[in-house]
Amino acid sequence: KQEVTQIPAALSVPEGENLVLNCSFTDSAIYNLQWFRQDPGKGLTSLLLIQSSQREQTSGRLNASLDKSSGRSTLYIAASQPGDSATYLCAVGRSYNTDKLIFGTGTRLQVFP
Amino acid sequence: DTAVSQTPKYLVTQMGNDKSIKCEQNLGHDTMYWYKQDSKKFLKIMFSYNNKELIINETVPNRFSPKSPDKAHLNLHINSLELGDSAVYFCASSLRDNSPLHFGNGTRLTVT
Repeated sequence: KQEVTQIPAALSVPEGENLVLNCSFTDSAIYNLQWFRQDPGKGLTSLLLIQSSQREQTSGRLNASLDKSSGRSTLYIAASQPGDSATYLCAVGRSYNTDKLIFGTGTRLQVFP
Repeated sequence: DTAVSQTPKYLVTQMGNDKSIKCEQNLGHDTMYWYKQDSKKFLKIMFSYNNKELIINETVPNRFSPKSPDKAHLNLHINSLELGDSAVYFCASSLRDNSPLHFGNGTRLTVT
């Protein structure tokens, strides 16, 4: 059974810091991995999607890496800003169909000025 | 120009009642989903539909019945509501397999 864990559960950093959020999964037979952001009272916003054949994806100040064999992904946020404060969730797709997304419990990030 | 919209945003009701949540997407996506987020913020898929056909039903009680009148709409009807149904329900859509999901803002259901 696929289990997805995110560490740390919460993180508080001063503005400007570079930071890394971690995601680990128990079954390496994944098809893809997605990182999402959730703001309070809102839905999830897709940030990055990495195919199982890829090692990383970048979007602006965000960089996500994937090491399928070790069951790990990291989300790197460069030069953090207060607007980055949110909960970040990773989710793995176990089959060709992304309907089978398994979510982690998230990392709650607070960036203070 | 909301991409995935769901109504209502809040729903407070008593045990035993029947209620519906509506979802619409204007992205032209083929697949729509319902997810449940519990009090611990854990997200779990409930249903997915592709072009109005049910693809996934993940061990959800049959009191929950999704209905897709067309591929832009996926509504969720819940019969005989129970206290444990209290959660935030999210609708989502995707263009095709292996593409990013787009979520609505959620419906917070409280059963008293």
